[in-house]
Parts: sequence; C-alpha cells; structure tokens
Amino acid sequence: QKEVEQNSGPLSVPEGAIASLNCTYSDRVSQSFFWYRQYSGKSPELIMSIYSNGDKEDGRFTAQLNKASQYVSLLIRDSQPSDSATYLCAVNRQAGTALIFGKGTTLSVSS
Amino acid sequence: GAVVSQHPSWVICKSGTSVKIECRSLDFQATTMFWYRQFPKQSLMLMATSNEGSKATYEQGVEKDKFLINHASLTLSTLTVTSAHPEDSSFYICSARDLAYEQYFGPGTRLTVT
Repeated sequence: QKEVEQNSGPLSVPEGAIASLNCTYSDRVSQSFFWYRQYSGKSPELIMSIYSNGDKEDGRFTAQLNKASQYVSLLIRDSQPSDSATYLCAVNRQAGTALIFGKGTTLSVSS
Repeated sequence: GAVVSQHPSWVICKSGTSVKIECRSLDFQATTMFWYRQFPKQSLMLMATSNEGSKATYEQGVEKDKFLINHASLTLSTLTVTSAHPEDSSFYICSARDLAYEQYFGPGTRLTVT
C-alpha cells in the first residue's frame, strides 16, 4: 500500500465550478498535511497546510482533514483556468521531517 | 518569505561525467535540507536528508557513492551526480528547513544526460 494515495485524474471542471481533490494516507501517526500546486516544469508551491481535524479556509481554498478516516481533501471554489495544474498531497510523520508525496492529481479548468 | 535557490536551473551533460547542483537558503539558516527527484509524470521522491556538518542520510535504493551530498554550511547543500547516465536524467528539487521547521522548496534543476 502506498503511503499517500491520490487519484491521478485528470479532473476536469468548468470555470467557476468547485474542484474537489482527495488524498488518503496510510501512516496513522502522520502529523502534518500539505497541499502543493505544481505547474509543468516547475517546483511545487505550497497552497495549504493543515494539522488538526476539521476545515481550514484560505481564500478560494479549503482543506479538510479527517484523521480517523486518514483522509485529507482540498476544495477549490470558483475554479479558474490558472488553477489548471497538478496538485500534490504531502504528509510528514513529525514536524521537520521530509515530506512524503502522493503522485498528484491533474486538474484542468476549462473556460 | 523564505527563499531557496538552486543552481543551475538546467544542465545537459555527457554520460560518464559528474554534475554538481547547489541548493542555497538565501535569507535563513537551514540545518537540514532535503533532496528530491522527480521523473516525468511521477511524484517527488525523497533521495536523502542533508544535515549541516554531518553525513547525509540516504533513502533505500539511493546510491550514496553515486549521489554525493555535502552540507558544509548553514545555507548551502550540494548534490553531485557522479558518472551520470541517461537514467539519471530527472528534475532534482531541494527543500530547506528553517528553525521553525517550515520547509521551503527550491525552483528545481533539470538534468539531462546524453
């Protein structure tokens, strides 16, 4: 079983819609959870971090964490064509350790 | 915000030669840096953890004699790919950890071995 799993997609949504990205992880002791956005040929950029159960909102982005289900998601409201990218879910077991990445979900937002 | 640079941003080398990639934290001290590798359509895979002043810790399956890591100062870690082969062609990305345990990624280095 892979440590961090994501549906590779592609996930296609029309402009203005809500995009929902999902991630599951296998290690129950994971402490920190991150969503990164990666454009082709570029390094990942951090979108959201979440550390406790529940929702965390930042602008058009909402991260949701359910540790009991070992599940973390990212909602993107009012999706824009510029949101088209690969979204990587990452976890680490304790603060400061290396991140473990999922394979990423490719999102395509059509105008 | 904290900035991490990598140099070069891309490099082409011939099979059998060695290539050095630098990772610098520009405005903070990083006692720990991480080196990742990303093949096309794949995710980032951790290669090694680099600690200032000590030997790097390599992930299983990563040859430490092939991928030499030096972290001689609090702002610089280097990755040297020795005797590079075409299968080493990849996107190499470093991240640097600050004293608050936040991690910041560099822009990556595209290595092509011909």
